[in-house]
Amino acid sequence: EDQVTQSPEALRLQEGESSSLNCSYTVSGLRGLFWYRQDPGKGPEFLFTLYSAGEEKEKERLKATLTKKESFLHITAPKPEDSATYLCAVQDNAGNNRKLIWGLGTSLAVNP
Amino acid sequence: DTEVTQTPKHLVMGMTNKKSLKCEQHMGHRAMYWYKQKAKKPPELMFVYSYEKLSINESVPSRFSPECPNSSLLNLHLHALQPEDSALYLCASSQVAGVYYEQYFGPGTRLTVT
Repeated sequence: EDQVTQSPEALRLQEGESSSLNCSYTVSGLRGLFWYRQDPGKGPEFLFTLYSAGEEKEKERLKATLTKKESFLHITAPKPEDSATYLCAVQDNAGNNRKLIWGLGTSLAVNP
Repeated sequence: DTEVTQTPKHLVMGMTNKKSLKCEQHMGHRAMYWYKQKAKKPPELMFVYSYEKLSINESVPSRFSPECPNSSLLNLHLHALQPEDSALYLCASSQVAGVYYEQYFGPGTRLTVT
């Protein structure tokens, strides 16, 4: 069964303290892996799409990487405004490929 | 411009009311989606429209009725809802439905059913 697991569930960092969030997935064949950021009470904000192992994408303090089994979202020198829930979702080759399979998210808090 | 708009922002309705949620995108996307999100859970897919035709209904109760009047607009008609339907309702769009294309979400409508 297709599955996406994110860890940790929650992470508290000091401003400037770099860290990584993990998204491990089990799908029959990966078409795409998506990272979103969600602030409380708001819709998810698209960050990155990764398609194949070895791919990397960067945006400001965020860098997403992909292997055959997992993706990492690296946060370099985070600021308080990076506090949010980070969601990972995958799209697979089989069956209904219009549906995203979501992880439960990592809640990140960055203290000043 | 990667913007999806939703109205209203907040909605409180009784179980006998009829109301509608509205969504609009001007990105030329041909796929639009309705999601329901409960607290501390990921979005849960309800409906997918592809080229203005309903292509996925995730076994959603008939008290939720989607409508896609044109390629830019998506409505969700609500009738006889239950308190457990209280949630954040999200609209999203993508270039086409299916592979490779990321979905862009609106800000959501916070629905409370009393």
